[in-house]
Amino acid sequence: AQRVTQPEKLLSVFKGAPVELKCNYSYSGSPELFWYVQYSRQRLQLLLRHISRESIKGFTADLNKGETSFHLKKPFAQEEDSAMYYCALPDNSGVSNYKLTFGKGTLLTVNP
Amino acid sequence: EAEVAQSPRYKITEKSQAVAFWCDPISGHATLYWYRQILGQGPELLVQFQDESVVDDSQLPKDRFSAERLKGVDSTLKIQPAELGDSAMYLCASSGQDGWHEQYFGPGTRLTVT
Repeated sequence: AQRVTQPEKLLSVFKGAPVELKCNYSYSGSPELFWYVQYSRQRLQLLLRHISRESIKGFTADLNKGETSFHLKKPFAQEEDSAMYYCALPDNSGVSNYKLTFGKGTLLTVNP
Repeated sequence: EAEVAQSPRYKITEKSQAVAFWCDPISGHATLYWYRQILGQGPELLVQFQDESVVDDSQLPKDRFSAERLKGVDSTLKIQPAELGDSAMYLCASSGQDGWHEQYFGPGTRLTVT
């Protein structure tokens, strides 16, 4: 069964410091992974998807198939990055079109 | 900008009572999802619709939960009877046919069962 693991429930860094939010997955096949973010009192929203290889708000995420990881990184954290971050993996059973399996999330706090 | 609407935002009910949640997806989005998010966990899919048809309800507790999307637009999720363990955030999301399958989430309904 596919699984998404985010080992850190809480992550606290200072403004300007690098940040890395970890995500490991188990999946048979070639996965398409996502990072979703929820800022305080806002909706859950897509941050980035690995297939587009884009940088959003300074964040990047590289798929490492050897380590089955999709860590989210930003070189210089900003206070406005404080939020809950979820790694998500689409279904590969062939039953559900893009049903997502979410990790438990990591709460990032960027301190001034 | 179009958004997914959900109501009510908050619901407190006693166990054994019936409760219903409503979702209006972004116009034109054929796929609609209902997720349950327990405190401290990520969202878990309960049911997925493609137009008016159920695509996946494998995680829906069918003895007490039901969902419908009769005209393929808005949707209702019902719990009857509610149990204490049903206390959670219920999220609705929709996605279109843009090839990316990005899911757009509503604000959620916070259910508390007493």
